[in-house]
Amino acid sequence: GAVVSQHPSRVICKSGTSVKIECRSLDFQATTMFWYRQFPKQSLMLMATSNEGSKATYEQGVEKDKFLINHASLTLSTLTVTSAHPEDSSFYICSARVEGRGYGYTFGSGTRLTVV
Amino acid sequence: RKEVEQDPGPFNVPEGATVAFNCTYSNSASQSFFWYRQDCRKEPKLLMSVYSSGNEDGRFTAQLNRASQYISLLIRDSKLSDSATYLCVVNKGSYIPTFGRGTSLIVHP
Repeated sequence: GAVVSQHPSRVICKSGTSVKIECRSLDFQATTMFWYRQFPKQSLMLMATSNEGSKATYEQGVEKDKFLINHASLTLSTLTVTSAHPEDSSFYICSARVEGRGYGYTFGSGTRLTVV
Repeated sequence: RKEVEQDPGPFNVPEGATVAFNCTYSNSASQSFFWYRQDCRKEPKLLMSVYSSGNEDGRFTAQLNRASQYISLLIRDSKLSDSATYLCVVNKGSYIPTFGRGTSLIVHP
């Protein structure tokens, strides 16, 4: 149980275009979804926290107009990277808190974004 | 000081060895603690939660030392398949987790 489905798993896009990443909770309701970015050999860096039905909370240094987050339902949260640049190339991963398991977190399988 | 610190390693050990990792955290109000495993280019997967009394799951033992603000992970009888990056995760409330940068473990034959 407690599966988060994330897609696409891999995307290559041209500079200046936008990319949408989706995360769906398949067998539970995810009130809160965390969005992370991970560069090679570095830790996951929290970008933003999305809450169903309200605006996302962005971490310092993360441009909210560039990384658009929508959490319109209890089972779907999306991250759109707008006007992507090569420096946005990274591993993007979502995570939802799972109730009743010591408040562990379950992760999507990640999206590897390459901007060329 | 970083919120969550881990020695990045790599820890290079032979099969069958016992290896231990520590992770220190700076916020004394931290409430929940976890160890995650991340394989190369994959998402992290929960290995185990860490409880105040310490807990064990097979070859893995996790402990929490609140006084010194660290958690530990002990792996006994290492297997080749244990090779991965082990992430320490600390939750300081509001259920927002903070990740350490991970400790790389390489188990060789």
